[in-house]
Amino acid sequence: GEDVEQSLFLSVREGDSSVINCTYTDSSSTYLYWYKQEPGAGLQLLTYIFSNMDMKQDQRLTVLLNKKDKHLSLRIADTQTGDSAIYFCAEITGRRALTFGSGTRLQVQP
Amino acid sequence: EPEVTQTPSHQVTQMGQEVILRCVPISNHLYFYWYRQILGQKVEFLVSFYNNEISEKSEIFDDQFSVERPDGSNFTLKIRSTKLEDSAMYFCASSLGGGNEKLFFGSGTQLSVL
Repeated sequence: GEDVEQSLFLSVREGDSSVINCTYTDSSSTYLYWYKQEPGAGLQLLTYIFSNMDMKQDQRLTVLLNKKDKHLSLRIADTQTGDSAIYFCAEITGRRALTFGSGTRLQVQP
Repeated sequence: EPEVTQTPSHQVTQMGQEVILRCVPISNHLYFYWYRQILGQKVEFLVSFYNNEISEKSEIFDDQFSVERPDGSNFTLKIRSTKLEDSAMYFCASSLGGGNEKLFFGSGTQLSVL
């Protein structure tokens, strides 16, 4: 079945890079996503990657996909206090339904 | 920028009562979804809706749940007889479709069943 796992917590200092990791089990995943959830807010789509890519860069965000190991990561360069949030990875397979990880809480210390 | 809107932001109800959660998806989107997040747990898929019918649903989406698109803009989730375990944040989402399911989520309705 589908399962997506993430570490629960990451703390970094402002200006450092953050790397949030995710593993998934379904090898038929077509797209993988990163969502951000700020307190009291909904899920904001940050970026996504197609399964035949291994890297995607979008401004301060870099997504790396290792399909062999079923490992996805999100790197945030020059992390700011406004980046403090919960980050969810999610996968989609043939179904039109996302399977989410449990979320990684990123705390950015000034 | 277009967004998905949900009302109300908070809903408190008594066990056994019916609730209707409302959503206005992005206007040109074709696929609509409901997800929920029980406090401290993962975001879980409930149901997807396309072309005025349910296209997929999870095992959570039992006979107590129903969805409707009563007009050209609203998308609703009804829970007929709420249970304590229905307490959760309910997220509506929509997507344009076409393969890459970039889902855009609303800010959620926090449902508390007492």
